[in-house]
Amino acid sequence: DAGITQSPRHKVTETGTPVTLRCHQTENHRYMYWYRQDPGHGLRLIHYSYGVKDTDKGEVSDGYSVSRSKTEDFLLTLESATSSQTSVYFCAIGAGGQGEQFFGPGTRLTVL
Amino acid sequence: GENVEQHPSTLSVQEGDSAVIKCTYSDSASNYFPWYKQELGKRPQLIIDIRSNVGEKKDQRIAVTLNKTAKHFSLHITETQPEDSAVYFCAASIRGDNDMRFGAGTRLTVKP
Repeated sequence: DAGITQSPRHKVTETGTPVTLRCHQTENHRYMYWYRQDPGHGLRLIHYSYGVKDTDKGEVSDGYSVSRSKTEDFLLTLESATSSQTSVYFCAIGAGGQGEQFFGPGTRLTVL
Repeated sequence: GENVEQHPSTLSVQEGDSAVIKCTYSDSASNYFPWYKQELGKRPQLIIDIRSNVGEKKDQRIAVTLNKTAKHFSLHITETQPEDSAVYFCAASIRGDNDMRFGAGTRLTVKP
């Protein structure tokens, strides 16, 4: 599946704790994206990266930060998790512009 | 920003019938319209896309039509099969803008 993995696949945490999700690709794609998926909202872009150390905000970036120190890894951090951040998080990779995005398997995050 | 609305939210058809899912978008600058299929518990995968310089695109049993004047596009699935059962997402993006906006999704059920 396009050489993209996410870790962890499931996580339960408590309000106020920091959480980091990892996306790893072996396809050498320039662009990487983090989405969240919630019922009734489809997929919403949180942040994306267009190269090492180059990132930008998406539609729902508040409460999230990202980092990309290597082409293959894109990290999503919730500095202080809240219950509203309970969701399924998908990483995606692509060549950028208006082409196909390949999604990772997803991470189910529950914030109690 | 761009807003994409998708209808219906659920759709049930008999095997062999056709299914149509419609999406509208708000920003006339949008020029790329992909459709993703997500089976239960799986990752979204691109099934077909269309750019604003064409009005229709077909790939075997699936087709997408685009009406730029009315700002809507539709997914057509003919001769539906039980394996077509999934959630389908439309999306729209503007050239040069990496913030692709997704519709809320349509859950299609094909009854044998």
